[in-house]
Amino acid sequence: DVKVTQSSRYLVKRTGEKVFLECVQDMDHENMFWYRQDPGLGLRLIYFSYDVKMKEKGDIPEGYSVSREKKERFSLILESASTNQTSMYLCASSGTVISEKLFFGSGTQLSVL
Amino acid sequence: AQRVTQPEKLLSVFKGAPVELKCNYSYSGSPELFWYVQYSRQRLQLLLRHISRESIKGFTADLNKGETSFHLKKPFAQEEDSAMYYCALSVGTNAGKSTFGDGTTLTVKP
Repeated sequence: DVKVTQSSRYLVKRTGEKVFLECVQDMDHENMFWYRQDPGLGLRLIYFSYDVKMKEKGDIPEGYSVSREKKERFSLILESASTNQTSMYLCASSGTVISEKLFFGSGTQLSVL
Repeated sequence: AQRVTQPEKLLSVFKGAPVELKCNYSYSGSPELFWYVQYSRQRLQLLLRHISRESIKGFTADLNKGETSFHLKKPFAQEEDSAMYYCALSVGTNAGKSTFGDGTTLTVKP
């Protein structure tokens, strides 16, 4: 069974801390994505990557950065966590075929106090 | 820029009743459209995509380019259909970068 694995299911951090969210996929997918999921706002794309060491901003990149040193791993970094970054974070991956679907991780619920 | 609108945040129907979850999009090119579903305590997963013209778990969705809609339909709702449903639009030659609607929570009552 294909898998996208997010390292933490729940995370509690303090304002100003640096936070790392890790995501690993085992499907040899080129594309990886970070979304945040908020009630009433749907899923919003933060950053995505089409290849190793390559990254592009999504719709809401402010306050975030990413790292993709290996094909299977895509990390989301909150340089200085703030309370408005409290959210559910979803990692996803996909291949490069037209109309390829997204495979999602189970999510990380981040609370910033 | 593309946009996906799901006008209903909440939808409640009785078991056995027909259900339709609405999705409208704005995009000037040829879109790739999807419905994703998230059941309670499960990860978000693909339900169906328009290119496949398939029926999954009794659900179908037809792309109407004239009305720019991709509504999800099922003739007889079941309690296990209760979930959050997202409509999504993907563009470009590199698939996967998708724009999502705000989601509709479907509750099927016994």
